Amino acid sequence: NAGVTQTPKFRVLKTGQSMTLLCAQDMNHEYMYWYRQDPGMGLRLIHYSVGEGTTAKGEVPDGYNVSRLKKQNFLLGLESAAPSQTSVYFCASSPLRTGENTEAFFGQGTRLTVV
Amino acid sequence: AQSVSQHNHHVILSEAASLELGCNYSYGGTVNLFWYVQYPGQHLQLLLKYFSGDPLVKGIKGFEAEFIKSKFSFNLRKPSVQWSDTAEYFCAVNEKTGRRALTFGSGTRLQVQP
Repeated sequence: NAGVTQTPKFRVLKTGQSMTLLCAQDMNHEYMYWYRQDPGMGLRLIHYSVGEGTTAKGEVPDGYNVSRLKKQNFLLGLESAAPSQTSVYFCASSPLRTGENTEAFFGQGTRLTVV
Repeated sequence: AQSVSQHNHHVILSEAASLELGCNYSYGGTVNLFWYVQYPGQHLQLLLKYFSGDPLVKGIKGFEAEFIKSKFSFNLRKPSVQWSDTAEYFCAVNEKTGRRALTFGSGTRLQVQP
């Protein structure tokens, strides 16, 4: 049972380059999220999705785009990377139902450095 | 908008000392509350959660947390810490309905000295 898998785990980009981070979950969860983690700031929500074909902005969406073409996958794109996007990126997923057991499950993270 | 405050940014304890990490949230509706732990170089793992019922919840590895609704608080406690508890701890909340995304506090780095 893989849970939430992120690809790649590490990446170094030059300023202006583009890349896509892939998140895949095998728990049939409706909700998926992308966060970035920076020292002293906790995790901040970039974008999220409440189902296949839907996306919405979080607190820090600028410079990122996302797509949810398949229920199990949530892609995060950086069109023109900037040093300010150096961070650790976490993907998470959670089920649709309300009440108990609606916790989010996190991937292992992607450490991105933009030089 | 929700917000979560963790007032202790860095805590240093000796083994066997007791731990209490503060967490306060700001939100007008009903929320679910969580504590996550991140060991060095690893991803976030759920420590414990509160959805409803008994406000004192027990989690893994001897941790517990108490939800005090009147104080909008969800403090994490452990009677006796171990060196292996060295990690960063995050408090988080989400809405019971509506947007499910977690809002995190800034984290507390716990360093336990042997």
